[in-house]
Amino acid sequence: DAKTTQPTSMDCAEGRAANLPCNHSTISGNEYVYWYRQIHSQGPQYIIHGLKNNETNEMASLIITEDRKSSTLILPHATLRDTAVYYCIVRPYSGTYKYIFGTGTRLKVLA
Amino acid sequence: DAMVIQNPRYQVTQFGKPVTLSCSQTLNHNVMYWYQQKSSQAPKLLFHYYDKDFNNEADTPDNFQSRRPNTSFCFLDIRSPGLGDAAMYLCATSRDRGGTGGLEQYFGPGTRLTVT
Repeated sequence: DAKTTQPTSMDCAEGRAANLPCNHSTISGNEYVYWYRQIHSQGPQYIIHGLKNNETNEMASLIITEDRKSSTLILPHATLRDTAVYYCIVRPYSGTYKYIFGTGTRLKVLA
Repeated sequence: DAMVIQNPRYQVTQFGKPVTLSCSQTLNHNVMYWYQQKSSQAPKLLFHYYDKDFNNEADTPDNFQSRRPNTSFCFLDIRSPGLGDAAMYLCATSRDRGGTGGLEQYFGPGTRLTVT
């Protein structure tokens, strides 16, 4: 079973920041948080991952709480092309090749 | 651009008729994966290859087989497709060093399989 809990769906106005939460209260010390998104009828796309420090790349920022039991993916200026299902996944960085996808959050960016 | 390619994008097969889906990659990644994604569900891992070593998930039906003749190519064979096997099949790759579990996975666009 997936170790993450995400809201089923969210809406965001175009140009505004989209904040997608994820709960992973049973995360272990060696487990990373990964985020992927899946645009309709395409394969999932890697966005970002982190262990305990906040991370930023050209696509998004990842904020992980100090106790690591939850995280937030931030898309700073959402566009219509960001409409997708966003998956939060926790897995060890070593020792397994398996991603267990949860149900994800369906983000709809509104014009 | 380096990428993961899946052919065909859409495949229709008859109930019980064997079908093969293909995946190729130009990333030179040593790990390749096959996922099944049914409508409105999350992707589910079927198996993966670490180089030539095949690793099956415990709950993957025997009806599903895979071959990896070289680094670049991987095939998914469904020996006797049933109506319940209709799904999107996703191929992914990752680069792994020394059994660390791999870095991020790169997915192909998927093959949508219809069983009639």
